Amino acid sequence: EAQVTQNPRYLITVTGKKLTVTCSQNMNHEYMSWYRQDPGLGLRQIYYSMNVEVTDKGDVPEGYKVSRKEKRNFPLILESPSPNQTSLYFCASTPSIYNSPLHFGNGTRLTVT
Amino acid sequence: AQKITQTQPGMFVQEKEAVTLDCTYDTSDQSYGLFWYKQPSSGEMIFLIYQGSYDEQNATEGRYSLNFQKARKSANLVISASQLGDSAMYFCAMREANTGNQFYFGTGTSLTVIP
Repeated sequence: EAQVTQNPRYLITVTGKKLTVTCSQNMNHEYMSWYRQDPGLGLRQIYYSMNVEVTDKGDVPEGYKVSRKEKRNFPLILESPSPNQTSLYFCASTPSIYNSPLHFGNGTRLTVT
Repeated sequence: AQKITQTQPGMFVQEKEAVTLDCTYDTSDQSYGLFWYKQPSSGEMIFLIYQGSYDEQNATEGRYSLNFQKARKSANLVISASQLGDSAMYFCAMREANTGNQFYFGTGTSLTVIP
């Protein structure tokens, strides 16, 4: 089944404790990206990647890191999480062409205390 | 400036009626794609419908249609014959072909279908 898999679904952590949210897709998509969803703000793009070893900042990259060492994987790293990073996070992928929709993972609800 | 604007935070519709969810966009790119997604209370993002900037006809997918008015830069989603399962958040999104590799999302509209 074609899908984007992100883990974990739920994560509660404390301020400053490094964490990684994994994302993997099995559709051979070139483009992958991360979003955070906050009430009243919609989805905001954190980082995106056009292909292996090619990443770029979205609208809200501060406090986040990503890497794209393999085409299928695009982990999101929070080196020192803070409470304002409490949010619902989505990973998504799509072929490179602009008229293809994003395929989303099921989301990761992160709480930083 | 906001790339995508959804001005209706919440909407109500009677079951079996049609409803229009508004979306306006801002771009100077000639080639772009517009997308609508549904997010039910379970949280997943479901792709509904796509409209390309060069498409002359409005997109339709089952009960969903997109009222595309290019000159007004609007891409409203029309849901016909609303069902209780249509109650969800709806997001409009855009991707520009030439100027960026970002997807831009609106703030969403919460639709409630009343029995």
